[in-house]
Amino acid sequence: AQSVTQLGSHVSVSEGALVLLRCNYSSSVPPYLFWYVQYPNQGLQLLLKYTSAATLVKGINGFEAEFKKSETSFHLTKPSAHMSDAAEYFCAVRAVGSGNTGKLIFGQGTTLQVKP
Amino acid sequence: NAGVTQTPKFQVLKTGQSMTLQCAQDMNHEYMSWYRQDPGMGLRLIHYSVGAGITDQGEVPNGYNVSRSTTEDFPLRLLSAAPSQTSVYFCASSYSETYYGYTFGSGTRLTVV
Repeated sequence: AQSVTQLGSHVSVSEGALVLLRCNYSSSVPPYLFWYVQYPNQGLQLLLKYTSAATLVKGINGFEAEFKKSETSFHLTKPSAHMSDAAEYFCAVRAVGSGNTGKLIFGQGTTLQVKP
Repeated sequence: NAGVTQTPKFQVLKTGQSMTLQCAQDMNHEYMSWYRQDPGMGLRLIHYSVGAGITDQGEVPNGYNVSRSTTEDFPLRLLSAAPSQTSVYFCASSYSETYYGYTFGSGTRLTVV
């Protein structure tokens, strides 16, 4: 079965500092992986996705993530945090196997706080 | 292009009442899902559909029903509301499987008293 673990429910950084949000996955087959962002009182928006092409994936708003098979990780990074990056971030993996078509499995989420 | 539209945005129900959360998409997406979001638990799949007339249960289906008579609409029915169903509900759709990633609606915040 697939699963996703996000390390750290809250991450706080200063404006201009590096953002690193951690995600580890478990999957018996090559995974499809996603990062979503949720701003307050809004739905989820796709930041980026990995679907077995390049291991370094670039997304919107300056975010990128690197797929590391040996570490079963898909950490999200941004070189310089902006106040507008404050939000909740979710890592997700495509579920596979019989009866799992179209399903996503989400991590518990990480709230990013950006301090001035 | 409206994307995924959910109504209502807010709802308060009394225990035992029933209601339908509406979800509509105008992108001709085959895949649609309902999730609930609770603090510290991420998003959990309630029901999903891979096309009109085809639905299946997710992780937490008890107390909810769905149907998919058209490609555009995927309503979620609460049969007899319970306080444990207090949550934020999100509808999402995708063009095909999950390769493209899901597009989410803005959510329905439901409180059951």
